[in-house]
Amino acid sequence: DSGVTQTPKHLITATGQRVTLRCSPRSGDLSVYWYQQSLDQGLQFLIQYYNGEERAKGNILERFSAQQFPDLHSELNLSSLELGDSALYFCASSVQGTGGGNHYGYTFGSGTRLTVV
Amino acid sequence: GESVGLHLPTLSVQEGDNSIINCAYSNSASDYFIWYKQESGKGPQFIIDIRSNMDKRQGQRVTVLLNKTVKHLSLQIAATQPGDSAVYFCAELQYGQNFVFGPGTRLSVLP
Repeated sequence: DSGVTQTPKHLITATGQRVTLRCSPRSGDLSVYWYQQSLDQGLQFLIQYYNGEERAKGNILERFSAQQFPDLHSELNLSSLELGDSALYFCASSVQGTGGGNHYGYTFGSGTRLTVV
Repeated sequence: GESVGLHLPTLSVQEGDNSIINCAYSNSASDYFIWYKQESGKGPQFIIDIRSNMDKRQGQRVTVLLNKTVKHLSLQIAATQPGDSAVYFCAELQYGQNFVFGPGTRLSVLP
């Protein structure tokens, strides 16, 4: 158990629908990062939050949004879903903006597998 | 679990042999690097890190080599075991802000 909790583990939904993915960071970590991993691609950075504020944005579609709450958990909202949105969505956390813990890197959750049918 | 990255470069090694996984990074100003291991159905896990003021760092059965001249990073795994089968990612810390991940290499250990 990495300490980063993602729910749900699996999600199957229809095109056009909206889903919310949830992430609880490791205790003490202030930063949350969201990544998308498709079958033919590596880890694509979507967005980062630090202590409730948006810190960095990657290749995140306008149909996607995220937020980080006062208790530091984060939610990734995906709307108007398309077949191509099917992927693994990972959340990672770190103490500061760039890293923390025993190493200055990210701790990843187990991911949410989203299937759009 | 379902595999990810079906079109990833693949390295196949015999059990017991040494493995070398390579990675080219993009930013000559990057000063911190990490190797992650991702097993099927799981999130990436930290393996080993290295700062740019070093050219080699050793862990348990793993060694990371950094060649800043050609912006190249490698991960060596000694006496590769079946449990080492996974996708391996390098990540570089760019501008002291965020990590950028490489495309990944799938390591398959043959019995």
